Amino acid sequence: EAQVTQNPRYLITVTGKKLTVTCSQNMNHEYMSWYRQDPGLGLRQIYYSMNVEVTDKGDVPEGYKVSRKEKRNFPLILESPSPNQTSLYFCASSLLGTGVLETQYFGPGTRLLVL
Amino acid sequence: DAKTTQPTSMDCAEGRAANLPCNHSTISGNEYVYWYRQIHSQGPQYIIHGLKNNETNEMASLIITEDRKSSTLILPHATLRDTAVYYCIVRVVGTGKLIFGQGTTLQVKP
Repeated sequence: EAQVTQNPRYLITVTGKKLTVTCSQNMNHEYMSWYRQDPGLGLRQIYYSMNVEVTDKGDVPEGYKVSRKEKRNFPLILESPSPNQTSLYFCASSLLGTGVLETQYFGPGTRLLVL
Repeated sequence: DAKTTQPTSMDCAEGRAANLPCNHSTISGNEYVYWYRQIHSQGPQYIIHGLKNNETNEMASLIITEDRKSSTLILPHATLRDTAVYYCIVRVVGTGKLIFGQGTTLQVKP
């Protein structure tokens, strides 16, 4: 089954404790992206990757890191989480067509609470 | 970067057409417009996308104005299951950066 998986689905942590949220897709998609969703602010893009070893900043990259060492995986790293990073996080992937970003498939989301 | 503006909320009667507008007045000539929707806190779901011409698929129609400064998503016969937040999105040309609108909460009422 074609899917995007995220782990963990729920996470409670404390300020400053490094954490990683994993994202994996099994569709051989070139493009992967991370978003955060906060009440009243909608979805905002954190980082994206157009292919292996190619990553770039979205709208709200501060406080986050990503890596794309393999095509299927795109982990989101919070080196020193802070309470303002409490949010619902989504990973997504898609094919890259000529001039168009094809349909994005989203993961189920990860709820993060930073105390 | 391109910016998208959407109304915060809209109501629609069940069985009627729902017309959701989006303003993207700063869009570039080769930037696509995408529409996704999100039900509760699930991952967003793709609906449709377009560049210049109107588009239709099994879910919806997308009408893009000739000057491309705005578009309208049309759900022809809204059902209660179409109650969701609808996002209008523009891709920054030449990049993978996506600009999301704030989203329109569509409430379909019986």
